[in-house]
Amino acid sequence: GAVVSQHPSRVICKSGTSVKIECRSLDFQATTMFWYRQFPKKSLMLMATSNEGSKATYEQGVEKDKFLINHASLTLSTLTVTSAHPEDSSFYICSAKELADYNEQFFGPGTRLTVL
Amino acid sequence: GQNIDQPTEMTATEGAIVQINCTYQTSGFNGLFWYQQHAGEAPTFLSYNVLDGLEEKGRFSSFLSRSKGYSYLLLKELQMKDSASYLCAVMDSNYQLIWGAGTKLIIKP
Repeated sequence: GAVVSQHPSRVICKSGTSVKIECRSLDFQATTMFWYRQFPKKSLMLMATSNEGSKATYEQGVEKDKFLINHASLTLSTLTVTSAHPEDSSFYICSAKELADYNEQFFGPGTRLTVL
Repeated sequence: GQNIDQPTEMTATEGAIVQINCTYQTSGFNGLFWYQQHAGEAPTFLSYNVLDGLEEKGRFSSFLSRSKGYSYLLLKELQMKDSASYLCAVMDSNYQLIWGAGTKLIIKP
C-alpha cells in the first residue's frame, strides 16, 4: 500500500517555459503533501508543504510566484515551475502523509527537470 | 539552529557489517527516520525510531538514543545492491523533517 506517483518522470524544456509536475497518492488520501528538490550528491531540500484545500507553506528562500503549488484534492498536488531557467534544473520529489498524526512520508519516484 | 550530521561516504565489503552513524540537534523530536536512496531515484523508507533502543528489521537495524541525540543504522550481510546513499532525517516539534546530507555507502566485492 501507500503508493505515490509522479508525472512526468523526466522533462526537458526551453528556458522561459513553464513546467507542471503532478504528484498523486494512488491508494490513500494524502492530507499533506511535500515538495522537495535535490541537487546532485546533495540532500533533500524541502521547498513547500501543502495541505488539501489550503495555500502551501513555502520554506524560506523559495519563491512562491515561481514555484506554484496546488493541492486541490486529497490525492493530487501539482508543482508548476514558471518561467524556468537552467538553474532550476534539478530532481524534484514529492511525498505524502496519509493521516495528520502519522509521521511516515511516502515518496514519489521523482521528476528530473532539465532546462536548456 | 537545527543540524543533522552523518559521514559523507563509507566503504564496506560484501558480506560484512557496516554501521552508519547520525547525530542530531533539533528543536523538538518526533522521531528519526532512515531512508535508502539509489542514484537517480527517490528515497525509500527503511526505519522509524521514536523510543530509545534497537529496532530490527531483517538485515537492517536502527538504534536511537534520544538523550545523546544519536542514532545508527546497522546493515548486516552486505550485498552489492546495498550500495546507495542512506539518509537520516529527524522530525522536529513542528512535525517537519530535517534531513541529513546522506551517507554514500560503497560496497566492494
